Amino acid sequence: EAQVTQNPRYLITVTGKKLTVTCSQNMNHEYMSWYRQDPGLGLRQIYYSMNVEVTDKGDVPEGYKVSRKEKRNFPLILESPSPNQTSLYFCASSSGHYYEQYFGPGTRLTVT
Amino acid sequence: QKEVEQDPGPLSVPEGAIVSLNCTYSNSAFQYFMWYRQYSRKGPELLMYTYSSGNKEDGRFTAQVDKSSKYISLFIRDSQPSDSATYLCAMNSGGGADGLTFGKGTHLIIQP
Repeated sequence: EAQVTQNPRYLITVTGKKLTVTCSQNMNHEYMSWYRQDPGLGLRQIYYSMNVEVTDKGDVPEGYKVSRKEKRNFPLILESPSPNQTSLYFCASSSGHYYEQYFGPGTRLTVT
Repeated sequence: QKEVEQDPGPLSVPEGAIVSLNCTYSNSAFQYFMWYRQYSRKGPELLMYTYSSGNKEDGRFTAQVDKSSKYISLFIRDSQPSDSATYLCAMNSGGGADGLTFGKGTHLIIQP
């Protein structure tokens, strides 16, 4: 089954404790992206990757890092999480048609 | 400016009604216009996309784009309780670097 998977689905952590949210897709897509979704603000892009070893900032990249060492994986790294990073995070992937993005199930992160 | 305006609702209609969902935007560079549907506790899924101006129909769903007015619509005919979800409009200029710019979403409730 074609899908985007994220882990963990739920995470509660404390301020400053480094964490990684993994994202993997099995559709051989070149393009992958991370979004955060907040009430009243909608979905906002954090980082994206056009292909392996090619990443760039989206609209809200502060406090986040990403890497793309393999085509299928695109982890999101929070080196020193803060409470304002409490959010619902989605990973997405697409082929050459960047508008047709497939989203993962989401990771709900709470930073206390 | 990458702003997209969408009424958050909630929009509540009886089963069988025709539903009209709308977004306005300000960036004239947008060429691809998408509608995503998001059920509670799930990731968004692509419903329809339209390139440039015009109409596109898929079953009970019709997407309209009026680039001169910077206005897009999604119509749902014979609405069903299973259509209850949040509908997100999204836009893209056609270059992958832009990612998708989302509206905040309209929460739709179809009453049985």
